[in-house]
Amino acid sequence: GAVVSQHPSRVICKSGTSVKIECRSLDFQATTMFWYRQFPKQSLMLMATSNEGSKATYEQGVEKDKFLINHASLTLSTLTVTSAHPEDSSFYICSARTGLAGHEQYFGPGTRLTVT
Amino acid sequence: QQQVKQSPQSLIVQKGGIPIINCAYENTAFDYFPWYQQFPGKGPALLIAIRPDVSEKKEGRFTISFNKSAKQFSLHIMDSQPGDSATYFCAASIDGGKLIFGQGTELSVKP
Repeated sequence: GAVVSQHPSRVICKSGTSVKIECRSLDFQATTMFWYRQFPKQSLMLMATSNEGSKATYEQGVEKDKFLINHASLTLSTLTVTSAHPEDSSFYICSARTGLAGHEQYFGPGTRLTVT
Repeated sequence: QQQVKQSPQSLIVQKGGIPIINCAYENTAFDYFPWYQQFPGKGPALLIAIRPDVSEKKEGRFTISFNKSAKQFSLHIMDSQPGDSATYFCAASIDGGKLIFGQGTELSVKP
């Protein structure tokens, strides 16, 4: 149980275009999902916390107009990187928290974004 | 105060050895301490987690030791295998909120 999927696993896009990444909890309902960014050989950097049906809470320094997050249902959250630039190239990972009172967070397999 | 400090940055052990990875925190409000394992190009996988009312937790070959007074916790991997070679992250959170991650430890288990 507690499986989280992400789509796509890899995406290459041209500078200036937008890219949407989907995060789904497959066998549980996730009222809260989290989006992370990870650079090579580094730890995970939290970008935003997404609660179903409400606006995402962004971490300091993360541009909310550039990284649009939508959590439309209890099993789906999306991250859209708008007007992508080469410096946005990174590994993006989502996680989902089980239940209202649960502490466990389960991570998706990640999405490798390359902006050319 | 929100930081979780992890050491060592990298670790090499022989097969069958017991690697130990340590983490320290300052914020006594943290109430959940998980460990994650990450292979290259993959998302982190939850290994084992502990709450502060327990001093030790064991799941298979993985053991967490927790020292509340010292504000430290560690991961021990018994009988380590080459397949355990990965990056390990400790983390902490408050009341099911966002995870604060340590810097990561790259473990290599030699055959």
